Amino acid sequence: GENVEQHPSTLSVQEGDSAVIKCTYSDSASNYFPWYKQELGKGPQLIIDIRSNVGEKKDQRIAVTLNKTAKHFSLHITETQPEDSAVYFCAASLYTGANSKLTFGKGITLSVRP
Amino acid sequence: DTEVTQTPKHLVMGMTNKKSLKCEQHMGHRAMYWYKQKAKKPPELMFVYSYEKLSINESVPSRFSPECPNSSLLNLHLHALQPEDSALYLCASSQNLFGLGFGQTNGYTFGSGTRLTVV
Repeated sequence: GENVEQHPSTLSVQEGDSAVIKCTYSDSASNYFPWYKQELGKGPQLIIDIRSNVGEKKDQRIAVTLNKTAKHFSLHITETQPEDSAVYFCAASLYTGANSKLTFGKGITLSVRP
Repeated sequence: DTEVTQTPKHLVMGMTNKKSLKCEQHMGHRAMYWYKQKAKKPPELMFVYSYEKLSINESVPSRFSPECPNSSLLNLHLHALQPEDSALYLCASSQNLFGLGFGQTNGYTFGSGTRLTVV
């Protein structure tokens, strides 16, 4: 099955700096890679995703890049703000229709220092 | 409505109790999911329903019994749980997984979860 690795487990940045979170996956057949943000007491919230036929996707301060050859994908947050502080999970999925399953990385706690 | 609503938000139950968790969405999503999340861990898949039919059971103990009465509702019936079952139980939904076109995504929408404590 798919295995998603996410390192490091914590990341601290100064407000206004950029943050980069990296994940690797094992199954070359995986074709869908979402990123989730989870704040304390809440469920995970999808912030950006990318499919395997695209190398990069941007949405305002957030971008995701995918390197299929190396089987890794990264989340880039620019101009970080204190409200970006949360746990971020990457995930990978093989889209097979009804039996699609998301495999999550272990998560990274991002702290943005004011 | 772009939300997944879970009730109750908190639940404390004894090991001999029977209780149910409820999940509701009105986004027309035809895939619904139950996840279990322990503290400082990622969500772990329990069950997947597609078109109201159970399509994946991740070898979950029978003390957890899912039910999908219609396309908008998903229940998780709990019976004879153990203290180690205490966790955040998350419901999620996603678009019809068949027929997704180029550029569409099958992003999941998660509810806020039910914080379950088994005593």
